[in-house]
Amino acid sequence: DGGITQSPKYLFRKEGQNVTLSCEQNLNHDAMYWYRQDPGQGLRLIYYSQIVNDFQKGDIAEGYSVSREKKESFPLTVTSAQKNPTAFYLCASTPSAGRNTIYFGEGSWLTVV
Amino acid sequence: DAKTTQPTSMDCAEGRAANLPCNHSTISGNEYVYWYRQIHSQGPQYIIHGLKNNETNEMASLIITEDRKSSTLILPHATLRDTAVYYCIVRFPGNSGGYQKVTFGTGTKLQVIP
Repeated sequence: DGGITQSPKYLFRKEGQNVTLSCEQNLNHDAMYWYRQDPGQGLRLIYYSQIVNDFQKGDIAEGYSVSREKKESFPLTVTSAQKNPTAFYLCASTPSAGRNTIYFGEGSWLTVV
Repeated sequence: DAKTTQPTSMDCAEGRAANLPCNHSTISGNEYVYWYRQIHSQGPQYIIHGLKNNETNEMASLIITEDRKSSTLILPHATLRDTAVYYCIVRFPGNSGGYQKVTFGTGTKLQVIP
């Protein structure tokens, strides 16, 4: 079945470390997105990519970095510059055309210890 | 994208219809209304979307007012598994014209009561 796979589901990071969250989709979607969700809050956009080798900052990009070397992959790196990284991270994708329904992965929990 | 306004929380008795309202008074003529729901610690799940006509699928019905300034998601027979946060968003279809920012607010927390 087609879908979006995020890994790991749970990740612990020590302060000062960089960590990378994986996002892979086999839906042949052109656009991919990363959102952050804090407890009891809505989703906030970190980065998005409309095509391979191109990506744009969202609303809260500081302290994060991404790459889009392949259509199916959009990894997110949480750097040590992100002062409060503990959150739930969601990856999403949309087709290049059509009804543009947003498809989400199951999310990754990142905790700083 | 137009912003949406939803009640913070609602309760519904199991087996009854759950009616979740959403206001989107600044919606533009070709923006669609989408509904998603998020069960705790999972990714949001697509439910339904529509432009101006009422829509129904196996999960829910969507009623959009004639002026398109508000809509209601109807879960006809709520079950305990429908307990979740429900998000209403509006956006353009397709990717023409570049990226369309999508804003998810805090949604409505629906609690289905036995």
